[in-house]
Amino acid sequence: AQKVTQAQTEISVVEKEDVTLDCVYETRDTTYYLFWYKQPPSGELVFLIRRNSFDEQNEISGRYSWNFQKSTSSFNFTITASQVVDSAVYFCALMGNNAGNMLTFGGGTRLMVKP
Amino acid sequence: DVKVTQSSRYLVKRTGEKVFLECVQDMDHENMFWYRQDPGLGLRLIYFSYDVKMKEKGDIPEGYSVSREKKERFSLILESASTNQTSMYLCASSLKNHLDTQYFGPGTRLTVL
Repeated sequence: AQKVTQAQTEISVVEKEDVTLDCVYETRDTTYYLFWYKQPPSGELVFLIRRNSFDEQNEISGRYSWNFQKSTSSFNFTITASQVVDSAVYFCALMGNNAGNMLTFGGGTRLMVKP
Repeated sequence: DVKVTQSSRYLVKRTGEKVFLECVQDMDHENMFWYRQDPGLGLRLIYFSYDVKMKEKGDIPEGYSVSREKKERFSLILESASTNQTSMYLCASSLKNHLDTQYFGPGTRLTVL
């Protein structure tokens, strides 16, 4: 069975602050993918990143960075110098090799960035 | 750009009604998915389809059925809507061998009274 836990249900920050969204996962698969999606108020999920379980390199894309730690089964997402447009619900997700083609999502973290 | 569209953004139905949620994608994707999204629970897979007339149950198929008569269209059917099916429903699609790269529609917020 797969499980994704996003312990932070809601985070509120002031613009320009850095913020980290936590994601912890459980899987018995040795090969798996991890994802982050953003859901702005419009409702449509926007794909942010996919990470293969064999690639533990951290990734940076502009103000976004991801820290994959296999030892702690975590895939945390940091937004540097947050902006109001970053306000959204963020989902972490997992797809194991033997998961029957199913994405397992965490409960989501609502991020509110105040001006 | 991949486009996944859903027939309604908001829908209000009464208990016992038959409800159809339609999803259309324009990129010739083989795989299509229906999820429901509830606060604190994230997205949960209801059904998916990997080809026309093919379907597979997801985590929570009870109370739902699906139909895939054409490649571009995947319908979610609530035979007899109940109040506990009030939720946000999201459709997604992906290419045959890219199950991990799913493109999502804007969602349909269904309220069952």
